[in-house]
Amino acid sequence: GAGVSQSPRYKVAKRGQDVALRCDPISGHVSLFWYQQALGQGPEFLTYFQNEAQLDKSGLPSDRFFAERPEGSVSTLKIQRTQQEDSAVYLCASSLPAADTQYFGPGTRLTVL
Amino acid sequence: GESVGLHLPTLSVQEGDNSIINCAYSNSASDYFIWYKQESGKGPQFIIDIRSNMDKRQGQRVTVLLNKTVKHLSLQIAATQPGDSAVYFCALPTPNSGYALNFGKGTSLLVTP
Repeated sequence: GAGVSQSPRYKVAKRGQDVALRCDPISGHVSLFWYQQALGQGPEFLTYFQNEAQLDKSGLPSDRFFAERPEGSVSTLKIQRTQQEDSAVYLCASSLPAADTQYFGPGTRLTVL
Repeated sequence: GESVGLHLPTLSVQEGDNSIINCAYSNSASDYFIWYKQESGKGPQFIIDIRSNMDKRQGQRVTVLLNKTVKHLSLQIAATQPGDSAVYFCALPTPNSGYALNFGKGTSLLVTP
């Protein structure tokens, strides 16, 4: 079956622009996670949804970062007024219940110039 | 907070040799451990997991060993193949964050012919 998909795969933004990154989880997966992966580092947790409810957003680095999952399936991570330090790969993962194996998408590589 | 670290950032092995990748963790209450493989340009891919009531688990060509006394786990890959070249992460779910994964920095495995 289809895995987790993310779009766009690559995004280049000028500093100060807003960006929106999309995640399509595996159908039927209740839990959805966003991670940020800097070059040469492991992924770091940003936020977590159970269905449409955002239960943990403690990893979001600033109030410029916003995530939503309004119908409990597709999720969007939005970054306002992008800064160079936002350059990273943004990974989305989904799982059946939260404690189950997380399956990752290919990520969106964001470069802020 | 939780600390997850790997002993070696890079590991180079010859095709056909066995590989061992190590990981140390700090939270003695951790009860579930996962190994992920990340190839260039892709998201992390689940390899194998182990729970704290076990000290060894085997998969296809992979074995995970868990030593709770010294808070250390290792991933062993038998008869390493060029397709095994990737970055390997150990990851610990954090129950108080919806089981978001806490990743280490990763070990880059390079398999040479």
